[in-house]
Amino acid sequence: DAMVIQNPRYQVTQFGKPVTLSCSQTLNHNVMYWYQQKSSQAPKLLFHYYDKDFNNEADTPDNFQSRRPNTSFCFLDIRSPGLGDAAMYLCATSRDEVSTDTQYFGPGTRLTVL
Amino acid sequence: AQSVTQPDIHITVSEGASLELRCNYSYGATPYLFWYVQSPGQGLQLLLKYFSGDTLVQGIKGFEAEFKRSQSSFNLRKPSVHWSDAAEYFCAVGPMEYGNKLVFGAGTILRVKS
Repeated sequence: DAMVIQNPRYQVTQFGKPVTLSCSQTLNHNVMYWYQQKSSQAPKLLFHYYDKDFNNEADTPDNFQSRRPNTSFCFLDIRSPGLGDAAMYLCATSRDEVSTDTQYFGPGTRLTVL
Repeated sequence: AQSVTQPDIHITVSEGASLELRCNYSYGATPYLFWYVQSPGQGLQLLLKYFSGDTLVQGIKGFEAEFKRSQSSFNLRKPSVHWSDAAEYFCAVGPMEYGNKLVFGAGTILRVKS
C-alpha cells in the first residue's frame, strides 16, 4: 500500500544533542510537510517542501531544519533539542499545494528530550 | 488570523448513541474545512472535507458534518457510535487561495463506553 512512513516511531535524545527524524513516502507526492504536535495541542506546521523548494513558517525556530534529498524522503533535523521540543512530529504529503489536495499523514515520531 | 476552536477536550458516549463534535472557526472568508481522526499509534486520517456546495457532507466510517456559515461552525456527527470510533478528532481549516496550509483545532478525545 502506498503510504507515509516515519522512522523511528519513538526517539529519545539528550538535551542539546542533535537528532534527525525521517519521513518517506511511496505516493510520489510533490509536497511534504512537517508538523509539531505537543501534548493536548493542535498540530502546528513547521515547514514544507514543494519539490525542492523549502517553505519555512515564520514562527518556526531556527533550531529546526529540514532536508529533502529526493521526492521520497524528507528529514527533520533538530540541532540542539531543548526540553520544550519534546513532542510528536508528524510528516504529511500532498500531491500539490492546494487545499483541495488531501494531506496524508504518517504515524508520527514521538520525541523525548532528557 | 485563522483559528479553530474545538470546545470539548473530552467526550464520552455510550456505544450505539449518537455523537456530535463541535468545531468553530475564525477566518476572513469561507475556508475549506476538514475533519481528521487520529487513532492511538496512527497518523491523522481524513474523515471528510467541505469545499463548496451542499453544506452537509458525508465522509468515511459513517460520519457526516454540516457547515453553517452563520455560526462559523462545522460540527461532526455520527448517528450510532461504535467502540472502534474511540480516537482523537481534529477539525482543520485551509485557505481557498493557493497554499495547502492547514490550521488545526486542539482536538477532541472521544471515549466510547460499552
